[in-house]
Amino acid sequence: QQQVKQSPQSLIVQKGGISIINCAYENTAFDYFPWYQQFPGKGPALLIAIRPDVSEKKEGRFTISFNKSAKQFSLHIMDSQPGDSATYFCAASRDNAGNMLTFGGGTRLMVKP
Amino acid sequence: GAVVSQHPSRVICKSGTSVKIECRSLDFQATTMFWYRQFPKQSLMLMATSNEGSKATYEQGVEKDKFLINHASLTLSTLTVTSAHPEDSSFYICSAYGTGGIGGKLFFGSGTQLSVL
Repeated sequence: QQQVKQSPQSLIVQKGGISIINCAYENTAFDYFPWYQQFPGKGPALLIAIRPDVSEKKEGRFTISFNKSAKQFSLHIMDSQPGDSATYFCAASRDNAGNMLTFGGGTRLMVKP
Repeated sequence: GAVVSQHPSRVICKSGTSVKIECRSLDFQATTMFWYRQFPKQSLMLMATSNEGSKATYEQGVEKDKFLINHASLTLSTLTVTSAHPEDSSFYICSAYGTGGIGGKLFFGSGTQLSVL
């Protein structure tokens, strides 16, 4: 049973555009929702995270939108750059701190110059 | 900032040999370490969870005798792939969870690409 569903699997965006990646979860006990960025041959790196008590969190060009009633959250990358080309994973955790993570399937983002 | 060091980054071995991968938390004490496996273009699949000084908890379908995990100290966990076979070829990633000064956070190692010939 896939507890965190991520879409799309791949995404191509022009430089300067907005990249949007969506995730949906099933387990209402999840209370911590991070996004990770992974470059080929490297481990994931934490990008931004949100807890269910807020509906939006912004850090630089990256914004998480969270809809608790719909059990959905999304990552928006504003002014996308070629250096943002990577695989992005959403995740969810029950312990409010990202200890035991359930990952989404990943989205391969390519930002064209 | 907090760093998790994973070695080696890449290993090629012959079928039937054993391979050890190390995961170290460099500037914090990791109460829990996790080991993941990732196939090309796929997500991270949790293999096992280890707490310092106790036996690792393996996810369903992961052979504990095949993938030996040792978490002997608060800064070091090792994964040994015993009698490796080509189907064990994969990208293995560790993560370490620490509390205290770093405020309860999870950090990932840089991964190990295992290729079994």
